[in-house]
Amino acid sequence: QKEVEQNSGPLSVPEGAIASLNCTYSDRGSQSFFWYRQYSGKSPELIMFIYSNGDKEDGRFTAQLNKASQYVSLLIRDSQPSDSATYLCASTDSWGKLQFGAGTQVVVTP
Amino acid sequence: DAGVIQSPRHEVTEMGQEVTLRCKPISGHDYLFWYRQTMMRGLELLIYFNNNVPIDDSGMPEDRFSAKMPNASFSTLKIQPSEPRDSAVYFCASSLGQGYNQPQHFGDGTRLSIL
Repeated sequence: QKEVEQNSGPLSVPEGAIASLNCTYSDRGSQSFFWYRQYSGKSPELIMFIYSNGDKEDGRFTAQLNKASQYVSLLIRDSQPSDSATYLCASTDSWGKLQFGAGTQVVVTP
Repeated sequence: DAGVIQSPRHEVTEMGQEVTLRCKPISGHDYLFWYRQTMMRGLELLIYFNNNVPIDDSGMPEDRFSAKMPNASFSTLKIQPSEPRDSAVYFCASSLGQGYNQPQHFGDGTRLSIL
């Protein structure tokens, strides 16, 4: 079973600090990786995706990919209470199908 | 632009009844996905379509589940007969193409409760 693993949390982060979320995957054939944010009772919302080794920045968010280590992370800078949500990591297989992790709950405390 | 539209938003019905969930993908998107989300199993892909043709239904749990896409702007997921263990949130998603740089966009979901 090809899997995407995430710590379930909750990850407690002080307001203004950096939240660091980690994700590992088992399928070496995975081509790209997506981060979705899901508020309680809402649908997953795309934050960003990455498919090349290294860092990709979008506003307060930075995704990092290390294919050799099969590791992808998401950094949230200047965390705000509105960032409190569950963050889902997903990888694509060679067919483009998404495999989701269980998600990491983030709680930003004022 | 309108996003993925799902209906109904909530459905409560009794065990044994037929349930039909509906989805309208984003205009122009050629891939459509049906997911189920539960606390125990997370987000699971049930089936997906490309240009209205089912490509992979390996995630459909049982023969009680069926999905159709009669045209590019409409898809249904049907459960007959429904059981309490089918209670979950069902999401529809669509994408423009399917590749390493083609994100899926999700609808608001249908929260299904089978009594």
